[in-house]
Parts: sequence; structure tokens; C-alpha cells
Amino acid sequence: AQKITQTQPGMFVQEKEAVTLDCTYDTSDPSYGLFWYKQPSSGEMIFLIYQGSYDQQNATEGRYSLNFQKARKSANLVISASQLGDSAMYFCAMREGNIQGAQKLVFGQGTRLTINP
Amino acid sequence: NAGVTQTPKFQVLKTGQSMTLQCAQDMNHNSMYWYRQDPGMGLRLIYYSASEGTTDKGEVPNGYNVSRLNKREFSLRLESAAPSQTSVYFCASTLLGQGGGNTIYFGEGSWLTVV
Repeated sequence: AQKITQTQPGMFVQEKEAVTLDCTYDTSDPSYGLFWYKQPSSGEMIFLIYQGSYDQQNATEGRYSLNFQKARKSANLVISASQLGDSAMYFCAMREGNIQGAQKLVFGQGTRLTINP
Repeated sequence: NAGVTQTPKFQVLKTGQSMTLQCAQDMNHNSMYWYRQDPGMGLRLIYYSASEGTTDKGEVPNGYNVSRLNKREFSLRLESAAPSQTSVYFCASTLLGQGGGNTIYFGEGSWLTVV
């Protein structure tokens, strides 16, 4: 079974609009972490945001926020006021186990986001 | 401020040849990882080293070996390259303990083609 599911292969959004990228996960471990990475066309993996399973509040980093709905096993990335430079592939990833152990990530298949001017 | 550095960035190999991908980090991280990314897919873990002196298999270890040379360096070796190993390879590192495991840094990737 897929541990990380990203159901949107591609999304097209107008510049300055907010965008939500979906991510659902599957784990029976009570301790886990959720990550979002951006991969521009140049290929590098850029860390965006992290949410721990025991974190009480949704994570935020600048224009990025993570809409964490634990009961639904959902960890959607919200980008506010999108910019042309946000066009990229976005990956959701999960680490099972606590933050003290090896950080073995399982990735979803990604969502290609295109921002239109 | 190099972060995670991978070499080479591009390589073409013939089937059966061997090669080593090098990775070094300058952030004093204790934990290092090798992933591969096939076209249109997310990354998959090949091997990892949770701390200096230890290595363990990930999800797709077959056809690879690793060496944690010291705290800074973690290499990935293909002993007899196969076309199925054509992929982009990423090295990553993080600091376990001391609150560091929530940020995992990746290198820029190494594009490997096996013909």
C-alpha cells in the first residue's frame, strides 16, 4: 500500500492566488514526521516545511503552511500569494518513528505546479 | 557554505562498469543517506548511515554498496552498472538528536546514465 499519496499529478494556478497541494499518508506508528520539498527544473531538492505528529499547531514557514489533519491522515501544503518562481515539482514525504532515529523518508510521486502570469 | 556536495554531477557508464558517487557534507551532521529518483517518481532510499561507523539498507539496495568514510563523507558504489540503475542520485544529511532531525538537506543530485 502507498504510504504517501499525492493525487494531483499537475496543477495550474494564476499568479498571486493561493494554492493547496494535497498529501495523504498511511502509517500505524504514532510518531512520525511529514516533510514537503520543492524540486525546480534544475533538479535540486529544497526543504520547505516540516510537521511532527505530536506538534499541536500547524507548521508555517513564510508563504508556506501545512494544513495537518491528523484524524484524516492529511498533510496538505498551502502556498499563499503564489509567484512565478513557485512553478516546480512538489513532493510530500514521511518519516516513521521519532525524530531521534534515522530519518528514512518515503516520498509521494509529486505534484507539478505551474503558475501562470 | 557548501552544505551537501555530490560528485560527479553527470556520468555515462557502459553496462558492467563500476563507479563511485561521492558525497560530503560540511554541516557536522551525523546521519547521511543515498536516494535515487527515477523519471516521474519520488525519491527512494538506497542506503543510509545513521551515524559514523554504521550503514544500513534502505528500500532499494540491490546492486549498490556504501562506505561511510568518516563523519563528513558517504560514498555510493555501483559494482557492475546495469541500465536499470539509470537514475538521478541524491545524497542527504541531517543531525540526529539535538533537535536537528526535522531538517534534512539534499545535495544537488548526480545524473547517471548506463548504456
